[in-house]
Amino acid sequence: EDQVTQSPEALRLQEGESSSLNCSYTVSGLRGLFWYRQDPGKGPEFLFTLYSAGEEKEKERLKATLTKKESFLHITAPKPEDSATYLCAVHRTQGGSEKLVFGKGTKLTVNP
Amino acid sequence: DGGITQSPKYLFRKEGQNVTLSCEQNLNHDAMYWYRQDPGQGLRLIYYSQIVNDFQKGDIAEGYSVSREKKESFPLTVTSAQKNPTAFYLCASTKGGGRDNQPQHFGDGTRLSIL
Repeated sequence: EDQVTQSPEALRLQEGESSSLNCSYTVSGLRGLFWYRQDPGKGPEFLFTLYSAGEEKEKERLKATLTKKESFLHITAPKPEDSATYLCAVHRTQGGSEKLVFGKGTKLTVNP
Repeated sequence: DGGITQSPKYLFRKEGQNVTLSCEQNLNHDAMYWYRQDPGQGLRLIYYSQIVNDFQKGDIAEGYSVSREKKESFPLTVTSAQKNPTAFYLCASTKGGGRDNQPQHFGDGTRLSIL
């Protein structure tokens, strides 16, 4: 069964304290992995797409990496405005249809 | 600015009532999707449409119905058959027909509650 597991479920950091979020997956027919940011009461906001192992993408304080089994979202020197839930999703094909499988998310809180 | 508009932001349903959630996009995207988000769970796919006048069931379609009469619009009806409708509903769209690995872009959701 296709599965996407994000860890930890929740993470509290002090401002400036760097850390990483993990997304591990067991999906057949992987075509890509997406990271989203979701603020309370809002829809997910697209951050990155990663297509193949070894690929890296960066945006401001965020850097996403991908291996054959997992992806990491590294947050360098976070600020309070980085507080949000970060979602990981994998794009896979099955029986001719294309679907996203989402993890449950990591809730990040950055304290000033 | 282009985007996805969901309305209403909050919706209340009485027992035995059908309610319809609106989703409109002006991104000229071909594919549109409906997800349900519950606390502590990942987004779950309800229905999706890759082209006008065609749609497919997702993983949790029971108790829901959709239509896709226009490219820009993909309304979701929560029927009285859906016994646990309280959730945050998200609409998304993507370029192409969802086959070319483009990211999905989301609206800001509708929160549905039972009266």
